[in-house]
Amino acid sequence: DAEITQSPRHKITETGRQVTLACHQTWNHNNMFWYRQDLGHGLRLIHYSYGVQDTNKGEVSDGYSVSRSNTEDLPLTLESAASSQTSVYFCASSRGPQETQYFGPGTRLLVL
Amino acid sequence: ELKVEQNPLFLSMQEGKNYTIYCNYSTTSDRLYWYRQDPGKSLESLFVLLSNGAVKQEGRLMASLDTKARLSTLHITAAVHDLSATYFCAVDKGSQGNLIFGKGTKLSVKP
Repeated sequence: DAEITQSPRHKITETGRQVTLACHQTWNHNNMFWYRQDLGHGLRLIHYSYGVQDTNKGEVSDGYSVSRSNTEDLPLTLESAASSQTSVYFCASSRGPQETQYFGPGTRLLVL
Repeated sequence: ELKVEQNPLFLSMQEGKNYTIYCNYSTTSDRLYWYRQDPGKSLESLFVLLSNGAVKQEGRLMASLDTKARLSTLHITAAVHDLSATYFCAVDKGSQGNLIFGKGTKLSVKP
């Protein structure tokens, strides 16, 4: 069955380290999204991509970057992790920009 | 700037009762999504509402959209414990999949 996976599922890192969170989908969806979820804020969009080599900034993109070298993957990089980036990160994908977004299982990141 | 407000944020219901969750948004959009999230889990798509007057139903949940009032409702009929979860609405900013989420309504259904 087609699916969307994230790895790692849990990560502890130190302030200042670079961290990369992986997202992989097998639906062949063009559109992929990264969100963070924090208590009291709901989900907020970090970056998104409409296809290979396309990336766009979302609502809370500072300190994060993405790259899209193929259809299946959209890795999220925290250039220099900060404690404020402790959160749960969700990746999502959709067939088209206005289609339902399907979410991955999430990655819990703790920055000490 | 598009803002999405849900209310209530917390809802404790008795089994068998009916209730409505409201989702207001601040600027024009013709596409609204409802998601469910169980504790510690991912988000599950419930409904996509595509136009003014759209109504969708699945089991005990019914969602509607009034684009003129910038309001969507999620109505729960005869609640059961299995509906306990957090429900999010999300509005498409710019019709390109750039979703703005409400803060969620945490629903607890008690016997």
